[in-house]
Amino acid sequence: NAGVTQTPKFRVLKTGQSMTLLCAQDMNHEYMYWYRQDPGMGLRLIHYSVGEGTTAKGEVPDGYNVSRLKKQNFLLGLESAAPSQTSVYFCASSWETGGNEQFFGPGTRLTVL
Amino acid sequence: AQSVTQPDIHITVSEGASLELRCNYSYGATPYLFWYVQSPGQGLQLLLKYFSGDTLVQGIKGFEAEFKRSQSSFNLRKPSVHWSDAAEYFCAVGATNDYKLSFGAGTTVTVRA
Repeated sequence: NAGVTQTPKFRVLKTGQSMTLLCAQDMNHEYMYWYRQDPGMGLRLIHYSVGEGTTAKGEVPDGYNVSRLKKQNFLLGLESAAPSQTSVYFCASSWETGGNEQFFGPGTRLTVL
Repeated sequence: AQSVTQPDIHITVSEGASLELRCNYSYGATPYLFWYVQSPGQGLQLLLKYFSGDTLVQGIKGFEAEFKRSQSSFNLRKPSVHWSDAAEYFCAVGATNDYKLSFGAGTTVTVRA
């Protein structure tokens, strides 16, 4: 049981490049989330999904897109990376609403030059 | 919407001393409350959670937290810290009718020998 995994672990992009971050969970969780973590700001929700084929905007969605084609996978895309998107990105999953804990992946450290 | 404040950005404590981390939340009803810990370069791990019932909650690694409705607080405590407790700690609040968690900005704990 791997829990929540994220690929890649590290990535450096140039401004304007695109990339996709992959999150996978093997706990059959219905809900999945993408956060970004910046110093002094805690974790901020980018997008989330309440089931296969569904996505919704979180607190800071601009510049990102997501897809949930399979229940176990949640992809985060950056179409045209900007230096302001330099951050650590965490994926999380849970069984149901805020009443259940969210399980986090190890994170992806992204630098945009 | 719910929100969380962690008043202390950084705390330094001696090994063997007690530790208390403060968390204040804003939410109109009884919230779901969580404490997570993040070791350097790692994802977030759940320490403990409060849903209802006993206001003193026991967690992993010898941590406990107390829910005080009158003070809108959920402070985390440990009687005797170990060097391995050096990490960043996040308080989070969830609503009963919402999928999302709101995180505080985090408190970094340094343990000195």
